[in-house]
Amino acid sequence: EDKVVQSPLSLVVHEGDTVTLNCSYEVTNFRSLLWYKQEKKAPTFLFMLTSSGIEKKSGRLSSILDKKELFSILNITATQTGDSAIYLCASNRDDKIIFGKGTRLHILP
Amino acid sequence: DTEVTQTPKHLVMGMTNKKSLKCEQHMGHRAMYWYKQKAKKPPELMFVYSYEKLSINESVPSRFSPECPNSSLLNLHLHALQPEDSALYLCASSQDQDTLGYGYTFGSGTRLTVV
Repeated sequence: EDKVVQSPLSLVVHEGDTVTLNCSYEVTNFRSLLWYKQEKKAPTFLFMLTSSGIEKKSGRLSSILDKKELFSILNITATQTGDSAIYLCASNRDDKIIFGKGTRLHILP
Repeated sequence: DTEVTQTPKHLVMGMTNKKSLKCEQHMGHRAMYWYKQKAKKPPELMFVYSYEKLSINESVPSRFSPECPNSSLLNLHLHALQPEDSALYLCASSQDQDTLGYGYTFGSGTRLTVV
């Protein structure tokens, strides 16, 4: 059965800390790995990863995919209170997107 | 039961047809969501129901009509759709809309094709 597993499910850190969020996947006909940030409404797209070993960066956020070991990580450096959200990992196969349950990140001021 | 179940998994409909998408969860979640997702795009929020009341309508055309008959069930009624409405329709639920929503659970989606 296809699945996407995120860890930790919940994380509380202080502002300025660096966090690493994990995502493992087992998906047939894998096409891409997606990261989203979700606050109260629609998930906000962060990264789409299709190739192993190529880091994608956007400001303080970065992500990398390991297609051999079937996992991805999302790093956030110098965290800010505005980074508090649920971070969703999802795997895109040929006919559907399979989401993980998300990591709830809370940044303390 | 820790799943959100969406039916049907695939649907092909004509522009004059009326059809409905169904979403069901038995986790006691009180917030339920409809998302639309086009290829290679992130999901776009359509509707949010909180405690069986419509709380968010993201300016969705009236040819999409949501319904929440009870706390476990969410429907999306479709009428006079256009080919550009073809997409993956995702349902999701969470314990409560007003928190950050720890443990969002998504269904696997309905792949809709309008011909």
